[in-house]
Formats: sequence, structure tokens, C-alpha cells
Amino acid sequence: DTGVSQDPRHKITKRGQNVTFRCDPISEHNRLYWYRQTLGQGPEFLTYFQNEAQLEKSRLLSDRFSAERPKGSFSTLEIQRTEQGDSAMYLCASSQRTSGSGEQYFGPGTRLTVT
Amino acid sequence: AQSVAQPEDQVNVAEGNPLTVKCTYSVSGNPYLFWYVQYPNRGLQFLLKYITGDNLVKGSYGFEAEFNKSQTSFHLKKPSALVSDSALYFCAVRDIWADKLIFGTGTRLQVFP
Repeated sequence: DTGVSQDPRHKITKRGQNVTFRCDPISEHNRLYWYRQTLGQGPEFLTYFQNEAQLEKSRLLSDRFSAERPKGSFSTLEIQRTEQGDSAMYLCASSQRTSGSGEQYFGPGTRLTVT
Repeated sequence: AQSVAQPEDQVNVAEGNPLTVKCTYSVSGNPYLFWYVQYPNRGLQFLLKYITGDNLVKGSYGFEAEFNKSQTSFHLKKPSALVSDSALYFCAVRDIWADKLIFGTGTRLQVFP
């Protein structure tokens, strides 16, 4: 399968611990996005990359959150000093940005539970 | 601010009947609109998009959507619903200033046999 993959699928952590998620986009896609989805809500944008450059960060992305895409391929999202409010599904998506609006293809998500 | 609204939390329809899931948008300028479907414990799957051109857009799994500029709507439709269509459906609009999607709150579609 050549879709977007995310690892791990589930993560349970204690409050105050750091966690890191990984996203592997569709190989030919140069844009990669992170969203967060809480129960009963639609996904909310966090940040996105074009190749290795981080082009925009949402105000939802506090200084405890950091995302990287060091070689323009996979990306990691790290949350430091987790809080219970960080419990959510973290979705990664990718697209091929050429002209017009390319649709974004989503991975299965990483469900984070902070206890 | 740009936004989309999905006025129905849940839509119930009998198998074989037509279905409509509603979406309205608020955007300055020409909107780029999308529909996604989410099955339990899975990510979002792209169904269709409207960028420009024909107001009736056809997508995956027999779904289509009608863009109506005067009513600022982009309703998702299917002529004959299947039980397997039961899922959570999200309407989204692309932010005009940045390449990100703004999603509605979702509509749960329940198709009864």
C-alpha cells in the first residue's frame, strides 16, 4: 500500500511525558500536513511543510509542540510535557502541490491518550 | 473568517433511498470545496472536490456534490444509499491564504437496511 502511514496507531502516556509521532507521506508528495481531531469535531490544522520547510503553524501549536521534516520525506510531531487536553487523534496528510488545489490524502491517525 | 457549516449532526436514510448531506460555506472569493468520509478508527478518505467548472461534481463510491454559489452550499448526494455508506462525513474548504483545510463538525450518516 502506498498511502500515508503513521506510527504508532495508538499511544497512551502519562501526563508530563514526551511523545513523538511519525508520518510517512505518499512518496511523490511534496507537501505534508498535521491536523488534530478531538471527539465530535472535525480535524483542526496544526502545521504544514513543503519539502523540508515548515510554511505555517497554527496558534493551536503551542511551544510544547514541535514538528520536523528533516529531509523532505517523513515527518515527526513531538509533544513535550503532555497534558490531558492533548488527548486527541493526530492526523497526517500529504499532497502534491502543483497548480490549483490538490486534495490532501490522510493517514490512519495516531490516537493519543494522556492519563 | 472562512468556515463551513454542517447543520445536521446525523442523517438517517433507508438503504436504496437517495441521501443528501448538507454543507454551507463562508469564503471570500471562489471556494475550493471538499468532501471526506471517515470510517471508525480510520483516517479521512477523499471523496470529491469542487474547484471550478461544472456545478455537479462526481466522486468516489457513487457520490456526487452540487455546488450552488447563490446559496453558498455544497451538498453531498447519492442516488441510492448502501448500508456500507454509514460513516462520518466532513465538508471542508481550503483556506484562501494558506494551503490548509478548514473542516466542518461532521455529519454522521446512518443507512438502515
